[in-house]
Amino acid sequence: GESVGLHLPTLSVQEGDNSIINCAYSNSASDYFIWYKQESGKGPQFIIDIRSNMDKRQGQRVTVLLNKTVKHLSLQIAATQPGDSAVYFCAGDPSGNTPLVFGKGTRLSVIA
Amino acid sequence: EAQVTQNPRYLITVTGKKLTVTCSQNMNHEYMSWYRQDPGLGLRQIYYSMNVEVTDKGDVPEGYKVSRKEKRNFPLILESPSPNQTSLYFCASSLSARDIGQYFGPGTRLTVT
Repeated sequence: GESVGLHLPTLSVQEGDNSIINCAYSNSASDYFIWYKQESGKGPQFIIDIRSNMDKRQGQRVTVLLNKTVKHLSLQIAATQPGDSAVYFCAGDPSGNTPLVFGKGTRLSVIA
Repeated sequence: EAQVTQNPRYLITVTGKKLTVTCSQNMNHEYMSWYRQDPGLGLRQIYYSMNVEVTDKGDVPEGYKVSRKEKRNFPLILESPSPNQTSLYFCASSLSARDIGQYFGPGTRLTVT
């Protein structure tokens, strides 16, 4: 079955630096991935998604990179701000017709 | 405002006392689901619903029931809660299971003593 996990449970970055959060998945048939941000006391919030026919997708200050060869995706946050402090989850679609599988999350702490 | 609402937000109850956590969305979404979130385990899906009157088990359905009589509502029912169901619960909805991102509710923190 699908497993989706993140490489590091915590990440600390200086304000203004770029952040990179990594995620690996196991099922090569997975074709849809989402990154979520969860702030303390709130539900997960959609950030950006990517389908397997793409290698890169950009949003406002965020970029997701997908490497299907090594089954790895990353979330890059440019010019990290204190408001970016949260837990970030990647989620993958294991088969196309079943719901997403969530990773355990990486806690991003921004140092002012 | 597009949103998913859950009630109650906090609940402390005792073992065996039936409870229902309500979930409602105002976006006419077809797909709704329930998750529980536990430290070190991340988000795990309990049940999901592709549409009205269609529900399916997720990864951890034991001890839970759901119903989908209307498109907007998807209540989670614990017939006989036990302490291992103490958790943070999230309801989510999206246009379809594979559509762009899911909207999550604010969460319900349940404690079963």
